Order: sequence, then C-alpha cells, then structure tokens
Amino acid sequence: KAGVTQTPRYLIKTRGQQVTLSCSPISGHRSVSWYQQTPGQGLQFLFEYFSETQRNKGNFPGRFSGRQFSNSRSEMNVSTLELGDSALYLCASSLATGTGLYEQYFGPGTRLTVT
Amino acid sequence: KQEVTQIPAALSVPEGENLVLNCSFTDSAIYNLQWFRQDPGKGLTSLLLIQSSQREQTSGRLNASLDKSSGRSTLYIAASQPGDSATYLCAVNSGGGADGLTFGKGTHLIIQP
Repeated sequence: KAGVTQTPRYLIKTRGQQVTLSCSPISGHRSVSWYQQTPGQGLQFLFEYFSETQRNKGNFPGRFSGRQFSNSRSEMNVSTLELGDSALYLCASSLATGTGLYEQYFGPGTRLTVT
Repeated sequence: KQEVTQIPAALSVPEGENLVLNCSFTDSAIYNLQWFRQDPGKGLTSLLLIQSSQREQTSGRLNASLDKSSGRSTLYIAASQPGDSATYLCAVNSGGGADGLTFGKGTHLIIQP
C-alpha cells in the first residue's frame, strides 16, 4: 500500500507570492491533516479535513487555507508569503476521525523556502 | 490548552544501552498518544499508538507506556543501535482527531557506535 505522498518536495518562493501544496493520503483514508514544522515552534497543527469538510483549524492567519477533494486528496494554499512561512509542511492521513482509534501517517513533507 | 513536554531535549548514549524517553502532557483528557521518529529533513514515522484505555504498547525493541492520570508517557528502547539515532516526538490527540495532534519539541537521540 502506498504511503502518504506530498508534492512538490521542495519549493522556493519570493515574499508576496502564493503557493499551493498537495497531499495524497493513503488509499481508503478520509481524514487529512496539515502541520507546519519550524526549528523555533516545532510542529504546529494547521487544519484537518474529513469528507471534504474542514473539521478544525489551528491558530494560523487566514493566509493559510486548504481544501479536500472527493477522492480525499488535499491541497493547502498560502497567500502573500512572508519570510516566516519558511518551514517543512507535513501532511498526515488517517482512516477516520472523532474516535482517537486511528494512527496518523505522515508524508515526507514539502520544504518551503521564502526569500 | 494542551501542552506537551519532552525530557531530555537531547541524549547521547553508547550502542547497546537501554534508554527511556519521557513525555508529559498537561490535560489528561486525551484520546490517544502517539510516538514518532523523525530523521533529519524527513517526515515522521509512526512508532507506537497508545489509546487512552491502554497502559502500554510494544513493537520489537520499543515499549511505550501511558499513565493518563499523571499525564505521562515513556518510550523505552532496548539494546539501542546506531540506526536508532533520530529525533523522537511524542504527540497527544485531545479532540478525537478533529483538533489535531499536539506535539512535544522532541528528544534528539544519538547512539554512539
């Protein structure tokens, strides 16, 4: 079974631009979560989608948004990029949500550098 | 607000030693706790998931325990090997999945050959 895949793996953008990252969950998984990892703040929750609906959102500005498609693939978008958005963006998938029974499986991440 | 702390932040031990990594969390109302390892520049690999009703889980040389009432978990690694060198992260699920995982800052582990 293929794992969680994320594209692109590396990205360099300029301040003020926008970026879209993609995540394909493990086949059969309907929940997709996004996390930002930086050396200073560690791993922080961005948002989670289940059946195309955003279930919850972390404490990030509105420049960070996402969506999920009917095939469970998810995208996240960051508009008006700032230098502080440079980070490793990780996507995780799980079978379901709401019960705590299921492991979350992470993809390899997208390394975003903003110059 | 849930907070997760991992101690120590870094650890260096000779190969073959048994070791314990600690994780504490402030709100005992959790659904599960998950241990991950992360190699430099890579994603997270799930090691063990302990549901709130469980006390421990084992996988090979790894054993994780959970004491929900005291807000603590430990990851025991037996007979450490250089390949175990990585950052180990503890994450707590407090909202049944809908709230995301809350992570500790990790323990950076180096196993000396």
